[in-house]
Amino acid sequence: GQQVQQSPASLVLQEGENAELQCNFSTSLNSMQWFYQRPEGSLVSLFYNPSGTKQSGRLTSTTVIKERRSSLHISSSQITDSGTYLCAMDNTGANTGKLTFGHGTILRVHP
Amino acid sequence: EAAVTQSPRSKVAVTGGKVTLSCHQTNNHDYMYWYRQDTGHGLRLIHYSYVADSTEKGDIPDGYKASRPSQENFSLILELASLSQTAVYFCASSGLNSGNTLYFGEGSRLIVV
Repeated sequence: GQQVQQSPASLVLQEGENAELQCNFSTSLNSMQWFYQRPEGSLVSLFYNPSGTKQSGRLTSTTVIKERRSSLHISSSQITDSGTYLCAMDNTGANTGKLTFGHGTILRVHP
Repeated sequence: EAAVTQSPRSKVAVTGGKVTLSCHQTNNHDYMYWYRQDTGHGLRLIHYSYVADSTEKGDIPDGYKASRPSQENFSLILELASLSQTAVYFCASSGLNSGNTLYFGEGSRLIVV
């Protein structure tokens, strides 16, 4: 079965609305990361978040390791937030970039 | 700014031909990776390397070889390209000096015909 489950698979927002993206893991993990994939395909790291809450601008990531879940909150969404959000886990114990990715949440923000 | 560059950015290859995808990083990172992305499968790890002159198999290594001749360079080699290897390939690097965050290249789109 899939080790990293992301929900929702897709999401449509009106500009200014908030969004909550979820990531659930079927196995224990050491750390996780959130990435943003631009519509043209390039990937950008958003958060390396092994546990707890981290914030960067309008983005907030919260990871609860013992519950095997992480969330990404986007506040006051903008059109430029459109793209795919990917979460990935490291369960190797070595804290490297050997990640298992979810399939992503496709976000579309309309004016 | 961390930088990972890939070449070529796109390529059309013939079934049975040899394809080499190259990756260069200027991050001074020890770790480098090759991932492949397919619609419906997310990203999957093919090969990775912790140090020059050494490579390791990832989750889907069959049909691929890797080469790490120096800390900065990491290549992915398809000796006999097949239709099923049509995908977008991403190189990435990470290191303790950047908190183990993955830095990705722009991706290489490979179409095998």
